Amino acid sequence: SQELEQSPQSLIVQEGKNLTINCTSSKTLYGLYWYKQKYGEGLIFLMMLQKGGEEKSHEKITAKLDEKKQQSSLHITASQPSHAGIYLCGADIRTYKYIFGTGTRLKVLA
Amino acid sequence: ETGVTQTPRHLVMGMTNKKSLKCEQHLGHNAMYWYKQSAKKPLELMFVYNFKEQTENNSVPSRFSPECPNSSHLFLHLHTLQPEDSALYLCASSTRGLADGNEQFFGPGTRLTVL
Repeated sequence: SQELEQSPQSLIVQEGKNLTINCTSSKTLYGLYWYKQKYGEGLIFLMMLQKGGEEKSHEKITAKLDEKKQQSSLHITASQPSHAGIYLCGADIRTYKYIFGTGTRLKVLA
Repeated sequence: ETGVTQTPRHLVMGMTNKKSLKCEQHLGHNAMYWYKQSAKKPLELMFVYNFKEQTENNSVPSRFSPECPNSSHLFLHLHTLQPEDSALYLCASSTRGLADGNEQFFGPGTRLTVL
């Protein structure tokens, strides 16, 4: 199994709908990063979370790290076609190892 | 535009060829990374350089050879690759090496196809 599990693997939503992507680790997360990737391109940094219970927002995207620091969620409000892409979570797990989830592929239907 | 550039963007090579991937960052960062992204697999960290010194080599085959002549440039030299090495190779940089609170900035990647 993966060290960092993302769910769902893919998601198709109608424009205007809200959605949530989850990232779960079996180990304590000392830094959790959300990235967005368009197919075949590099990753764009979205947000970084470090403290348990921390929540950050940027435009219509909100990310939260749970109190136990083993799960993070990314929530998009009123989705738009521009939100389409692959969302990846990455994490520091304190062994100086930086790992990534397998990604969630989001499609937003106009 | 993230401040990290990669060339070439696409590369097709035979198994006996030798080629190099180049990465350059304009962010004043001290750490640079090579990642491999294959279909339906998590991003795999290959190499880490911190202040031009290699600090990580994640059991990468010797047919991949990194070079970091200065903090702004990173190369990945390729020779006698296999078809399964076909993937998107991403370069990233960060202020420090692998440490807390240290987000990475990624280049657009080089799509490599090995025939």
